[in-house]
Amino acid sequence: EPEVTQTPSHQVTQMGQEVILRCVPISNHLYFYWYRQILGQKVEFLVSFYNNEISEKSEIFDDQFSVERPDGSNFTLKIRSTKLEDSAMYFCASSEDSWDIQYFGAGTRLSVL
Amino acid sequence: AQTVTQSQPEMSVQEAETVTLSCTYDTSESDYYLFWYKQPPSRQMILVIRQEAYKQQNATENRFSVNFQKAAKSFSLKISDSQLGDAAMYFCAYRSHQGGSEKLVFGKGTKLTVNP
Repeated sequence: EPEVTQTPSHQVTQMGQEVILRCVPISNHLYFYWYRQILGQKVEFLVSFYNNEISEKSEIFDDQFSVERPDGSNFTLKIRSTKLEDSAMYFCASSEDSWDIQYFGAGTRLSVL
Repeated sequence: AQTVTQSQPEMSVQEAETVTLSCTYDTSESDYYLFWYKQPPSRQMILVIRQEAYKQQNATENRFSVNFQKAAKSFSLKISDSQLGDAAMYFCAYRSHQGGSEKLVFGKGTKLTVNP
């Protein structure tokens, strides 16, 4: 069965460094999402992406975040200058259509030291 | 803004027994979707069941069923004949069907343990 895959599973970085989290959505899906979950808190929506542009973003998704679909398969989340509070599990998801079920990856655990 | 509340951080059930996970939500919208996602340890979240708010009939998927009470804004998940493989974190989620928003709003999750 097709899956959303995320790499790496765990990323450790120093505060102030840039990180790129990678996702390969399901191949025929057109809508892509990033969510995050800080330890012990709710899964929170960050951004949705369609047709090479952001369709919706949350208040969390400020200027230090960006998303890109650099080729036909990858979908990336970049954090420009990481802060301690960016430590979280980051989930990528994709859906065939905007109203369709969102399929999630296993997540990338980001640890900012 | 919509909110989703799962009041049970942890639940346990004996294998083959039935367990009910609670979820309440708050919204002023009339048209929306509700979901239960399951996340086994170190694995991706997978959809367990989906309910459209306009449907009065409760959704069922094999051993999984929901009790959707729209007026009470309640959406509980019942797992019948629990199996060891049901052990996971369960998340309740809401999605609007109005205004073009695609985002899921999640509860904090309920960790389900299945005892042999």
